[in-house]
Amino acid sequence: NAGVIQTPRHKVTGKGQEATLWCEPISGHSAVFWYRQTIVQGLEFLTYFRNQAPIDDSGMPKERFSAQMPNQSHSTLKIQSTQPQDSAVYLCASSSPGKNTEVFFGKGTRLTVV
Amino acid sequence: QQQVRQSSQSLTVWEGETAILNCSYENSAFDYFPWYQQFPGEGPALLIAIRSVSDKKEDGRFTIFFNKREKNLSLHIKDSQPGDSATYFCAASASSGSWQLIFGSGTQLTVMP
Repeated sequence: NAGVIQTPRHKVTGKGQEATLWCEPISGHSAVFWYRQTIVQGLEFLTYFRNQAPIDDSGMPKERFSAQMPNQSHSTLKIQSTQPQDSAVYLCASSSPGKNTEVFFGKGTRLTVV
Repeated sequence: QQQVRQSSQSLTVWEGETAILNCSYENSAFDYFPWYQQFPGEGPALLIAIRSVSDKKEDGRFTIFFNKREKNLSLHIKDSQPGDSATYFCAASASSGSWQLIFGSGTQLTVMP
């Protein structure tokens, strides 16, 4: 079990460019979560999918951010027209079916917008 | 409004002591409380969790004490080791709502040898 895999581990983009972050959840896990971590804001929930369907995106900035889960083995988080304030560690996590089960996090993608 | 609050940003203890990390919450609907441990450059890893029907959960050197009436909980790390030095996050979620975890701001624990 390789755990939740996130690629790339580090990404540097210029202001205004697009960034796509990839996540491969643990096989068999039906829930996939995206969080953002910064020193100032801490761990912030962005969105989550259950059985590939978007369930709650209440934490997603309404403009420029989008997430997809085209199949059960990967999810993407796309940020259009990146801004310096988007710089953060983006964490993907997955959990098995059922509420309040253990959520496993990946190592994260550190996004730096210059 | 911070729904999950960790009162100490940092805590330093000596090796062998018991480290006590505190957490409080606002939402009475929260019924699941995991603690996560995070090392630099890594994602958070689940350490131990408790459900609101219990007042204590123990796993090796780690114990959660939970007070539903006071809406607070604490993580006790017995016989602290330098390898326990990490940031610890208290989190909460509600079975009745979204599955998202609400995290506290974290407590950075340093265990001095």
